Amino acid sequence: GAGVSQTPSNKVTEKGKYVELRCDPISGHTALYWYRQSLGQGPEFLIYFQGTGAADDSGLPNDRFFAVRPEGSVSTLKIQRTERGDSAVYLCASSLRATNTGELFFGEGSRLTVL
Amino acid sequence: QKEVEQNSGPLSVPEGAIASLNCTYSDRVSQSFFWYRQYSGKSPELIMSIYSNGDKEDGRFTAQLNKASQYVSLLIRDSQPSDSATYLCAVDSSASKIIFGSGTRLSIRP
Repeated sequence: GAGVSQTPSNKVTEKGKYVELRCDPISGHTALYWYRQSLGQGPEFLIYFQGTGAADDSGLPNDRFFAVRPEGSVSTLKIQRTERGDSAVYLCASSLRATNTGELFFGEGSRLTVL
Repeated sequence: QKEVEQNSGPLSVPEGAIASLNCTYSDRVSQSFFWYRQYSGKSPELIMSIYSNGDKEDGRFTAQLNKASQYVSLLIRDSQPSDSATYLCAVDSSASKIIFGSGTRLSIRP
């Protein structure tokens, strides 16, 4: 497809479990962002990649969260020992470049529910 | 202090009127500013970007930037019911990460 693809669209898990969320950006987009959005809030920055490297991971809440982008395309956000407070919609966005991007193209999000 | 601040609303505007949305930011060296629209249950989509002080017009939308006051606004003229959504202000910070405000919920009443 032409847009940003995120899987799964919905994930229900139990407290303490491990979760992986996948993002497939628009082909050719070098910058990739992960955000987390809770109900009634704006997207909260987590991490962004320029190519394969994490250019800024200052938004990751703690060491339970980790993200990779090994080949500079698909990215995976990994959450260990999930907690109920991790429940949110996780949004991925891509852009042609990281500086003065002009436009982020968002996927439809992965809704995570931790019971 | 939040990096990007917006009034959460809701802001209710009659159809055909002008809707005015405001945003302030804390990082003085920010260079790029964006307005995204988010319909309920959907992802954000870009509607305006602005990089220089002054006004930028695109159809019914006008973005205004005042870097000295660290203030960005969005005006929507001839508001339509389809403009009812949450409007997110976003700022490209000095670290090139894009930070969003919490959004202003806009409701256009027929």
